[in-house]
Amino acid sequence: KQEVTQIPAALSVPEGENLVLNCSFTDSAIYNLQWFRQDPGKGLTSLLLIQSSQREQTSGRLNASLDKSSGRSTLYIAASQPGDSATYLCAVVKTSYDKVIFGPGTSLSVIP
Amino acid sequence: GAVVSQHPSRVICKSGTSVKIECRSLDFQATTMFWYRQFPKKSLMLMATSNEGSKATYEQGVEKDKFLINHASLTLSTLTVTSAHPEDSSFYICSAPTSSEQFFGPGTRLTVL
Repeated sequence: KQEVTQIPAALSVPEGENLVLNCSFTDSAIYNLQWFRQDPGKGLTSLLLIQSSQREQTSGRLNASLDKSSGRSTLYIAASQPGDSATYLCAVVKTSYDKVIFGPGTSLSVIP
Repeated sequence: GAVVSQHPSRVICKSGTSVKIECRSLDFQATTMFWYRQFPKKSLMLMATSNEGSKATYEQGVEKDKFLINHASLTLSTLTVTSAHPEDSSFYICSAPTSSEQFFGPGTRLTVL
């Protein structure tokens, strides 16, 4: 059974810092891994999707890496801003039409 | 990318009533859709898999008679919370997969008084 964990559970940093969020999954047989952002009381915003054959994806200040064999992914946020404050969820799927398994999330607070 | 809509976005109801939530894939067909539930400060947990033309598959611990799922067409799945109680208050999100990725609806906030 696939299990997804995220470290840390919560993180508070001053504005401008670079930071790394970690995600681990127990079954390396994944189709893709996705990072989402969720603001309080809101739905999911897809940030980055990494296919199983890829090593990383970048979008603006965000960079996500994937090491499928070791069951790990990291989300790197450069030059953090208060607007980055949200919960970040890591999620994996086994096949393209399968259910998504979510991690518990990392709650990020960027202090002005 | 593909779009999934949900309706309503927010609903408040009295205990004992039934609430129907719709999930639509707007620009693609989905033979399978998924329903998730999120309690406050918790992550999303899969409730059930909705299958067009057949019965839904429920996760362990989810009451199929309480959470009725109907996949009426290739673009519509509905979740009906029957005889809702305050403990059913939660954020419900649906998703529909394509060959490349999964697309999520914006969610429905259910509050049962």
